[in-house]
Amino acid sequence: DTEVTQTPKHLVMGMTNKKSLKCEQHMGHRAMYWYKQKAKKPPELMFVYSYEKLSINESVPSRFSPECPNSSLLNLHLHALQPEDSALYLCASSQSDRFNQPQHFGDGTRLSIL
Amino acid sequence: TQLLEQSPQFLSIQEGENLTVYCNSSSVFSSLQWYRQEPGEGPVLLVTVVTGGEVKKLKRLTFQFGDARKDSSLHITAAQPGDTGLYLCAGAKYGNKLVFGAGTILRVKS
Repeated sequence: DTEVTQTPKHLVMGMTNKKSLKCEQHMGHRAMYWYKQKAKKPPELMFVYSYEKLSINESVPSRFSPECPNSSLLNLHLHALQPEDSALYLCASSQSDRFNQPQHFGDGTRLSIL
Repeated sequence: TQLLEQSPQFLSIQEGENLTVYCNSSSVFSSLQWYRQEPGEGPVLLVTVVTGGEVKKLKRLTFQFGDARKDSSLHITAAQPGDTGLYLCAGAKYGNKLVFGAGTILRVKS
């Protein structure tokens, strides 16, 4: 069982909908990450939060809006997505954002945009 | 620009065979991590190598980090169907930002 929990596991939404992806960890980790992964491709980093503050935004379109309400929770708010945004969205956490900290991944949310 | 070149991209072998996956870069990384990902799941960390020349073993898996910390390899001895999956190498950059290789899809047939 993964220690990073993501909900929902699957999400289908229209291009005009607003939805949110949720991620939770109780390992006391202070860095959390959002990745996007297309089929049979490696994950691509979207955002990094360190101590609940956004530290890295990899030039992600504003239709993706991250939020870190507390040290255990990470959300990704979605609005006006495009079909090409269909992918597996992975959350990860690590003890800190210092070098060499192993990242623990959740099982992801599979998102389909109609 | 792909900072980490991973090869081969696909590998289909019979149970019991050996295999090696390579991960190469022109950049120096502070560490390299290897993950395995199965369908419908997130990547699972197998190992982190930090020191140049380091060798780590995990049962039938052997991981090496190059002396110059620019390349790494994963060798699997006597592959089993349970080894099937997507293998990813990842280098750590500033802010613990992981740069992933393109991945190797391994299929072990029984």
